[in-house]
Amino acid sequence: GNSVTQMEGPVTLSEEAFLTINCTYTATGYPSLFWYVQYPGEGLQLLLKATKADDKGSNKGFEATYRKETTSFHLEKGSVQVSDSAVYFCALTPFTDKLIFGTGTRLQVFP
Amino acid sequence: DAGVIQSPRHEVTEMGQEVTLRCKPISGHNSLFWYRQTMMRGLELLIYFNNNVPIDDSGMPEDRFSAKMPNASFSTLKIQPSEPRDSAVYFCASRPLAGEGTDTQYFGPGTRLTVL
Repeated sequence: GNSVTQMEGPVTLSEEAFLTINCTYTATGYPSLFWYVQYPGEGLQLLLKATKADDKGSNKGFEATYRKETTSFHLEKGSVQVSDSAVYFCALTPFTDKLIFGTGTRLQVFP
Repeated sequence: DAGVIQSPRHEVTEMGQEVTLRCKPISGHNSLFWYRQTMMRGLELLIYFNNNVPIDDSGMPEDRFSAKMPNASFSTLKIQPSEPRDSAVYFCASRPLAGEGTDTQYFGPGTRLTVL
């Protein structure tokens, strides 16, 4: 079946630290992959996406590369800010109408 | 462009009462999704519509839940009767079925439901 596995949170970092949030997936075929972000009290927002192997999605300093050989889509940022504190969801859409979400990883950034 | 609009943003009700949540998708988006988010179960897809037609309602918890989409710009999720375990944040999302961005869902701000 189709599933997404994310690292458990919370991830706690100091401002300007390097961020990695791991995401691996299981899917039939070649799904599109996404990272969504949910700020406190808000809905989910698309952060970045990649639609085929070796594609790199990027936005607001965040990056993730679609790795077919390791079935991974890890989220990275070189220098986090307090304003990046949020919950991050990895997701895939396996050429159906549905999005399959991971459980979310809470990021807390302290000054 | 306005995003997905949900109302109310917060709803507090007593057990046994009927609750109706509302959603207006982004104009031109003809696929609409209802999700529920809780700490225990995370984000769950309840039901989705394409062109106002329900496609998959397998996520609807039980007969107390019903959803309608009478036209392309409006959908409701109704819970009758409500129970405390229905307390959650309910999100609506939409996407286009053709053109650019068909694989991306756009979420509303959610309705926080508390059933006492």
